[in-house]
Amino acid sequence: GAGVSQSPSNKVTEKGKDVELRCDPISGHTALYWYRQSLGQGLEFLIYFQGNSAPDKSGLPSDRFSAERTGGSVSTLTIQRTQQEDSAVYLCASSPRTTEAFFGQGTRLTVV
Amino acid sequence: GDSVTQMEGPVTLSEEAFLTINCTYTATGYPSLFWYVQYPGEGLQLLLKATKADDKGSNKGFEATYRKETTSFHLEKGSVQVSDSAVYFCALHNNAGNMLTFGGGTRLMVKP
Repeated sequence: GAGVSQSPSNKVTEKGKDVELRCDPISGHTALYWYRQSLGQGLEFLIYFQGNSAPDKSGLPSDRFSAERTGGSVSTLTIQRTQQEDSAVYLCASSPRTTEAFFGQGTRLTVV
Repeated sequence: GDSVTQMEGPVTLSEEAFLTINCTYTATGYPSLFWYVQYPGEGLQLLLKATKADDKGSNKGFEATYRKETTSFHLEKGSVQVSDSAVYFCALHNNAGNMLTFGGGTRLMVKP
């Protein structure tokens, strides 16, 4: 079946603009994660959705970052007033309850 | 909170050498443990997993044993190949908190 799909795969934006990144998880997966991976760095946790529970937003680096998950499926990560330090690969993963997570290919964001 | 610590890279080996990448964790309860691999230019994919103490996960010649007494999940391979060059991430899923926590990643470079 289809895996986790992220769009766009690449995004170049000007500093100060808002961007929206989309994640389509695997159907039926209740958990959805967003991570950020800067060049040569590890994974930085951003936000976690589990079913209908309130999301864990503890990893969001500033109030310019927000995410929502509509209908327990598609998720959108929004970055307002982008800064150059926001440049990174943004990874989405979904998981069926308590097993391993499946990752999308990521969105490479470049802020110029 | 939960944490995962893995050896820093890069690790550089010659083909057919023995590989060990150390991973230790801190977590409440009884987490599931994972190794993910990220090949150049690709997304993360699950390499192997273990869900309870003394379980051994294995895949593609790689192995890791869940050691509760030492809170470790070291990754090993008896004979590495150039195609194993990638970044390896150790991770844990805490069933109590429903959170997936990653280590910082270890870059492996295998030379012919």
